[in-house]
Amino acid sequence: AQSVSQHNHHVILSEAASLELGCNYSYGGTVNLFWYVQYPGQHLQLLLKYFSGDPLVKGIKGFEAEFIKSKFSFNLRKPSVQWSDTAEYFCAVIPTYGNNRLAFGKGNQVVVIP
Amino acid sequence: GAVVSQHPSRVICKSGTSVKIECRSLDFQATTMFWYRQFPKQSLMLMATSNEGSKATYEQGVEKDKFLINHASLTLSTLTVTSAHPEDSSFYICSASRDLLGYTEAFFGQGTRLTVV
Repeated sequence: AQSVSQHNHHVILSEAASLELGCNYSYGGTVNLFWYVQYPGQHLQLLLKYFSGDPLVKGIKGFEAEFIKSKFSFNLRKPSVQWSDTAEYFCAVIPTYGNNRLAFGKGNQVVVIP
Repeated sequence: GAVVSQHPSRVICKSGTSVKIECRSLDFQATTMFWYRQFPKQSLMLMATSNEGSKATYEQGVEKDKFLINHASLTLSTLTVTSAHPEDSSFYICSASRDLLGYTEAFFGQGTRLTVV
């Protein structure tokens, strides 16, 4: 079964700093990859997704992620964060063909200090 | 994007009672629905996967007699927590997936905060 690891569960940074959240997955076949965000008191929302094609994916709110197949990674980046980016971020993976289960990482709690 | 509505958003119940949570896909027919449980400061734990008209597939360690899932239609799935106990207090999230041109995308409900007193 597929699994996802996210490191550095708690991240604290100042506004305008750059953010990078690591995501590594394990699965033998092709996968679809997602980053979700959960703002305080709100439900999960899709930030961006990768299915195929250009491995550099751009999402909403200035976020982007790069799929590096050789490293089984799908790291999330934002060049300059804002206070409103304070949230929990989850990486998720689902096999392109197969068990239809979306597996989540443990999440990164990001706090942006004004 | 597609909308998934989950109801209720919060519920408080007495120990020993049962609670039903509804998950509806409002503007699409969901091929599969998933139920997750989220513990504080932890990731979403998949509890079960359900397909319309068939029995749910439960993850290891999840009691199927305690967490009853009914997937009556392509737009509605329900999770019933039977004989709830305080340790069942948690945040429950449903997800509905839609297959589009060979890939699957999941959409999430807003979650239900269950407190058992």
